[in-house]
Amino acid sequence: DGGITQSPKYLFRKEGQNVTLSCEQNLNHDAMYWYRQDPGQGLRLIYYSQIVNDFQKGDIAEGYSVSREKKESFPLTVTSAQKNPTAFYLCASTAGSGETQYFGPGTRLLVL
Amino acid sequence: GESVGLHLPTLSVQEGDNSIINCAYSNSASDYFIWYKQESGKGPQFIIDIRSNMDKRQGQRVTVLLNKTVKHLSLQIAATQPGDSAVYFCAENINSGNTPLVFGKGTRLSVIA
Repeated sequence: DGGITQSPKYLFRKEGQNVTLSCEQNLNHDAMYWYRQDPGQGLRLIYYSQIVNDFQKGDIAEGYSVSREKKESFPLTVTSAQKNPTAFYLCASTAGSGETQYFGPGTRLLVL
Repeated sequence: GESVGLHLPTLSVQEGDNSIINCAYSNSASDYFIWYKQESGKGPQFIIDIRSNMDKRQGQRVTVLLNKTVKHLSLQIAATQPGDSAVYFCAENINSGNTPLVFGKGTRLSVIA
């Protein structure tokens, strides 16, 4: 898991509720990423940020929002607009393009 | 054997045998490749990487081979152990404009004791 932490490990969401997943890294990496993983599937990119105060949509950004106010933090909010949020969410970071990307331990989101 | 559809391709090997996991990458402009191992309920773990100016790179019990002609990447695990059972992903990086890694679909490795 390197120096990337994600919390909580498990998160429960009620209908119509927004929830925020935390991702923190102490690797001094510039770029951070959020992925969604469904059972038996690969990784799909939600959002990424290459520098503080800037971020770009990935392949499945609808129903999610992010912020990057600090270099070490990249929280992901799963909004009520995301109708199928149950999945395993992975945060990653890298020093830059062409550098190794390291992953956090993941957060499993479940809907009540 | 293999399974398709919603399930990942699966490779079953006997403990002690060598494993070869293959990956076809998508972009001829990719210049950096990584293999990850993901155990159930955990984040992907870096195994080994290779840059496009190399054809082969070796680590501890693992070797990555890169064939740029046919855009093919393989991961070889020597003397496979039960602890090697996991899903393995390849990823490619196109070094232009800081684009994110592109991940393959993954292969599940099952080690038979």
